[in-house]
Amino acid sequence: DQQVKQNSPSLSVQEGRISILNCDYTNSMFDYFLWYKKYPAEGPTFLISISSIKDKNEDGRFTVFLNKSAKHLSLHIVPSQPGDSAVYFCAASATQGGSEKLVFGKGMKLTVNP
Amino acid sequence: DAGITQSPRHKVTETGTPVTLRCHQTENHRYMYWYRQDPGHGLRLIHYSYGVKDTDKGEVSDGYSVSRSKTEDFLLTLESATSSQTSVYFCAISESPIRPKAFFGQGTRLTVV
Repeated sequence: DQQVKQNSPSLSVQEGRISILNCDYTNSMFDYFLWYKKYPAEGPTFLISISSIKDKNEDGRFTVFLNKSAKHLSLHIVPSQPGDSAVYFCAASATQGGSEKLVFGKGMKLTVNP
Repeated sequence: DAGITQSPRHKVTETGTPVTLRCHQTENHRYMYWYRQDPGHGLRLIHYSYGVKDTDKGEVSDGYSVSRSKTEDFLLTLESATSSQTSVYFCAISESPIRPKAFFGQGTRLTVV
């Protein structure tokens, strides 16, 4: 049973527009959430994170929103750039539950068209 | 970039042979992880380590074993490689579970023929 779900396998947007990537989770013990970006033939790289005590975290063009009641988070990229084209993974951890593990979603491929 | 080196970067092996992948870190992080990435499955945890000689299974541990005799090295062994273990393998390190931001290596592409 998947605990972290990225239900859309791909998204295509125009350069300069907003990209919204969604992620749902089922485990109510998750209290820390991260987004990773992955280019082909490279390892995933950390992008942005959010703790469950917050509902928003912003870093430059990237903002993550957390809706705990809906067990949903989203990553907003504004404005989108062609270099943002990559696979994005949502991940979650139960830090207060003592877990040392990150659970990842299946990933979503973002394509930003010039 | 975090100091993580995976070796080899690419390997082709035959079914039934043992294979060992190595992850080496220079960050002195306590936690180390092995993931595999497959189309349609994302990143799945194979095994992880929370200290020297302390390891535990992840969600897809069957057919794999690990060892960690030093803080800096985490080895993943496929005891008898099968075609279903053809995948891209990523090592990751993390400072602590309270700050679970993991840093990943470049990956090892393993093909079992």
